Amino acid sequence: ETGVTQSPTHLIKTRGQQVTLRCSSQSGHNTVSWYQQALGQGPQFIFQYYREEENGRGNFPPRFSGLQFPNYSSELNVNALELDDSALYLCASSMAGTGYEQYFGPGTRLTVT
Amino acid sequence: QKEVEQDPGPLSVPEGAIVSLNCTYSNSAFQYFMWYRQYSRKGPELLMYTYSSGNKEDGRFTAQVDKSSKYISLFIRDSQPSDSATYLCAMGENAGNNRKLIWGLGTSLAVNP
Repeated sequence: ETGVTQSPTHLIKTRGQQVTLRCSSQSGHNTVSWYQQALGQGPQFIFQYYREEENGRGNFPPRFSGLQFPNYSSELNVNALELDDSALYLCASSMAGTGYEQYFGPGTRLTVT
Repeated sequence: QKEVEQDPGPLSVPEGAIVSLNCTYSNSAFQYFMWYRQYSRKGPELLMYTYSSGNKEDGRFTAQVDKSSKYISLFIRDSQPSDSATYLCAMGENAGNNRKLIWGLGTSLAVNP
């Protein structure tokens, strides 16, 4: 069984730029959730994708957007980067209908300068 | 008031001690309760998953949920230095397919040999 993978591991961007983060879900899982975790904080829910559609969103502005592909992998896109976007971005996969068991990837650490 | 409150610690215990970690919450709609372990700069790892009230045991770990008090606990018996990590509680409502998790800040635990 393949676990959740994310790429890249680390990324440094300049304020105003755009970034795309990628996630491959665990084998057999059809739902992907994205979280932002600032240093010393718990993860904050960004949004969730199920069957290639957004299925719930947290308190994040529209410049945070995503995609899910037919193979259930996913992308998180952030436009017009701000300094406060510096964080660990976590992807979690799960199986719809089986409750809340979400399995996380190692995360992408984004630094915005 | 935050929906989920968790003392960030740090908590330092000697090897072999029993560790008690706790979270309180305000949203009575929460039905799913989870504990995750997160090592430095890694993604969270699911430790325990409980639906509604009651106890659940898995090896050295015991999770308790008291919905009347809106209080959940994680106990670690015979703690080991490898248990040193941040422990995060997470909760969710029974709300259709959207599996949005609300997280505590995390408690930093150090188990000293």
